[in-house]
Amino acid sequence: NAGVTQTPKFRVLKTGQSMTLLCAQDMNHEYMYWYRQDPGMGLRLIHYSVGEGTTAKGEVPDGYNVSRLKKQNFLLGLESAAPSQTSVYFCASSGPRQGSYEQYFGPGTRLTVT
Amino acid sequence: GESVGLHLPTLSVQEGDNSIINCAYSNSASDYFIWYKQESGKGPQFIIDIRSNMDKRQGQRVTVLLNKTVKHLSLQIAATQPGDSAVYFCAENAARGTLTFGKGTMLLVSP
Repeated sequence: NAGVTQTPKFRVLKTGQSMTLLCAQDMNHEYMYWYRQDPGMGLRLIHYSVGEGTTAKGEVPDGYNVSRLKKQNFLLGLESAAPSQTSVYFCASSGPRQGSYEQYFGPGTRLTVT
Repeated sequence: GESVGLHLPTLSVQEGDNSIINCAYSNSASDYFIWYKQESGKGPQFIIDIRSNMDKRQGQRVTVLLNKTVKHLSLQIAATQPGDSAVYFCAENAARGTLTFGKGTMLLVSP
């Protein structure tokens, strides 16, 4: 199993450009999440999904959109990138599994907006 | 412990020492806690978790202690090795299966 994969690994955008980050998981997990991580900060939840066709806002949703058309994929979109969105983006997935909220993380996408 | 601002708290130890990383959590209603390890350039990896009906749980070389009275969590790593050098995050469960992460502690292990 590949676990959680993310594409691309690196990307540089100019202000105002758009892009989509793709997350895929092969563990048949119901829940998927997008986080951003900034220097010296923990992980902050952008959006998440509790199942195919559902999405919900996290702590820092502004400027991002998501879609979960297939259970194994979770897409994060930036419609008009801003320098404040320069960050490392992590996708994660989880069961649910009785008694555990463990999330499995992808390797991250490093995005720079100039 | 957990940090505020841009600078991570750092714990520096010698190889072979025991390490203790601390975390204060905010929500007294949280009933699940988890520790992750993040090496440079990689995604977080699960270390160990604990439910609120326990106060201690042991894994391989790691122990998590939970003190609900003061809302404090600690991760103990026995016989710390250079490969343990990483940033360590605690997290607590929040609404709808999500986790709320702390800001992390950097562990530096010198040979």
